[in-house]
Amino acid sequence: GAVVSQHPSWVICKSGTSVKIECRSLDFQATTMFWYRQFPKQSLMLMATSNEGSKATYEQGVEKDKFLINHASLTLSTLTVTSAHPEDSSFYICSAPRWDRGYEQYFGPGTRLTVT
Amino acid sequence: TQLLEQSPQFLSIQEGENLTVYCNSSSVFSSLQWYRQEPGEGPVLLVTVVTGGEVKKLKRLTFQFGDARKDSSLHITAAQPGDTGLYLCAGSRGSNYKLTFGKGTLLTVNP
Repeated sequence: GAVVSQHPSWVICKSGTSVKIECRSLDFQATTMFWYRQFPKQSLMLMATSNEGSKATYEQGVEKDKFLINHASLTLSTLTVTSAHPEDSSFYICSAPRWDRGYEQYFGPGTRLTVT
Repeated sequence: TQLLEQSPQFLSIQEGENLTVYCNSSSVFSSLQWYRQEPGEGPVLLVTVVTGGEVKKLKRLTFQFGDARKDSSLHITAAQPGDTGLYLCAGSRGSNYKLTFGKGTLLTVNP
């Protein structure tokens, strides 16, 4: 069964509004989680590393004020897309390394964001 | 700079054919993972290889990690339509668990 969940699985929002996406590790604790963005038929692009209890680490070119990340507990990280625009429309995926399985990473099912 | 070069990017074959996907780098990785992803879903881990020269088999899939831990390959024997999907290789270096992904191989197996 799934070990990492995401909510919502899809969301449509209007331009200028903010959207929050949740990523949960279901049966293990994750001090680190990762957020990716994926365009159709392309690979995953790492956006940021979410660290429990501390600030997220963003990859070069990713606006930290636009993509707010909060890792408030050992099983939950959230990504908030602020003031969304149509170009933010994408498939957002999170992952978490599982410490009891050699830190292999398990991915969530993804969230399809459409900004109109 | 793409640290992991994955090829081919697109592959369309007939059911029953064999295929190989390659993942190459000039950098050494402590481990390399292969994922399969279907449209609208997250990647699903197929295998992790950690030892240079390691070969792992998963039914009709054979994974190989290069001796120098810089490259890997995925070979599928007698491909089936159910193998259709995006195959991704991803390497890990160091202890921060951050993965570097290849560009992916979009495989279509026609019945």
